[in-house]
Amino acid sequence: DTGVSQDPRHKITKRGQNVTFRCDPISEHNRLYWYRQTLGQGPEFLTYFQNEAQLEKSRLLSDRFSAERPKGSFSTLEIQRTEQGDSAMYLCASRLWTPPLTGELFFGEGSRLTVL
Amino acid sequence: ELKVEQNPLFLSMQEGKNYTIYCNYSTTSDRLYWYRQDPGKSLESLFVLLSNGAVKQEGRLMASLDTKARLSTLHITAAVHDLSATYFCAVNAGNNRKLIWGLGTSLAVNP
Repeated sequence: DTGVSQDPRHKITKRGQNVTFRCDPISEHNRLYWYRQTLGQGPEFLTYFQNEAQLEKSRLLSDRFSAERPKGSFSTLEIQRTEQGDSAMYLCASRLWTPPLTGELFFGEGSRLTVL
Repeated sequence: ELKVEQNPLFLSMQEGKNYTIYCNYSTTSDRLYWYRQDPGKSLESLFVLLSNGAVKQEGRLMASLDTKARLSTLHITAAVHDLSATYFCAVNAGNNRKLIWGLGTSLAVNP
């Protein structure tokens, strides 16, 4: 297993365009998280999935953002009508969740978005 | 709402010196994480601390947890340049165990 992979690693787009990021988690991991990180800040929680179900979405997330995890495998994060404030690193992480055990969280390399 | 505070946010130290980074959190949690991040890179897990009094060591880094004080420390022994990075602590929050992060400590180790 090569770990959590994200694609693309870098995306430059013009304001108003739509972008989509993909995350492939570690294969046996049932939980998948999306975070956003800007320079000088810690990661900010966006949303997470348990298998294919999206269980929580941050109230900070506008309706321009949508995430899916069809079939409980890979996930996509789409940003519609991008704004300059969306420029950030988008991080995906996954873990094996088997209560009461909480598995370690593994991060991908991130997808850096620049909105011009 | 759970808050996580790190201190200091910036640290410049000489090679060979020792220093400690502090992480305070505002409500009870069942585990605390330390991560390392190099510029432009993702987050690398360093330690997971599960219980009061837990201590873990890896090379020149040692992490400890005091759940009663809601405090974790990351101690650096005889720093080397390769340790230059940003170090984050994070705490489990709520039933969904999403992580709440500190702002990070940017460490620069100078020759």
